[in-house]
Amino acid sequence: AQTVTQSQPEMSVQEAETVTLSCTYDTSESDYYLFWYKQPPSRQMILVIRQEAYKQQNATENRFSVNFQKAAKSFSLKISDSQLGDAAMYFCAYRSAKGNSGNTPLVFGKGTRLSVIA
Amino acid sequence: GAGVSQSPRYKVAKRGQDVALRCDPISGHVSLFWYQQALGQGPEFLTYFQNEAQLDKSGLPSDRFFAERPEGSVSTLKIQRTQQEDSAVYLCASSFVVMAGLNTEAFFGQGTRLTVV
Repeated sequence: AQTVTQSQPEMSVQEAETVTLSCTYDTSESDYYLFWYKQPPSRQMILVIRQEAYKQQNATENRFSVNFQKAAKSFSLKISDSQLGDAAMYFCAYRSAKGNSGNTPLVFGKGTRLSVIA
Repeated sequence: GAGVSQSPRYKVAKRGQDVALRCDPISGHVSLFWYQQALGQGPEFLTYFQNEAQLDKSGLPSDRFFAERPEGSVSTLKIQRTQQEDSAVYLCASSFVVMAGLNTEAFFGQGTRLTVV
């Protein structure tokens, strides 16, 4: 079974600065997808960024970028120019690309609570 | 609707009571997942529907948990004889994707926070 580990329960960053959230995962599969989700107090999971395992190029979405190291099974999230609205729980998630029947579920880490200091 | 809708947003149940949680996915979305998120934890998979077919229920923690999606749209998660360990946020997610090989976003609802007292 796949597992996702987020070793930082809490992180804080000054407004306008850069912060990196860590994530490692364990899998024997070669084909999969990785995600970072943001969960504000409203509880709704919001997709921040995603990465296909077969792509070597790191994904980027505006101020958000990832450092995907497939051999090391590492998938960190970098948030540049942090804003107050970035404060939330951040979850790293894995999804297999090979399902026996239809779609496959997300496997989540335990999350990192990010605080942004004005 | 514009997004995934879940109701109720909050539910307090006495231990032993049965509860029903509703998920209204985005119209036309084929895949529907239920997740359980305990306090301070990440969501954990419960069950998966493709249209009305429940293709995976390996995450359901006990036979007290039952889910259905009879017409392939609205889904209901039912918990019988609730226990304190059932207290959690229950999240529903839907997507248009039917096959694992396609990388398409899953849209989440705001969840139902269940507290069993």
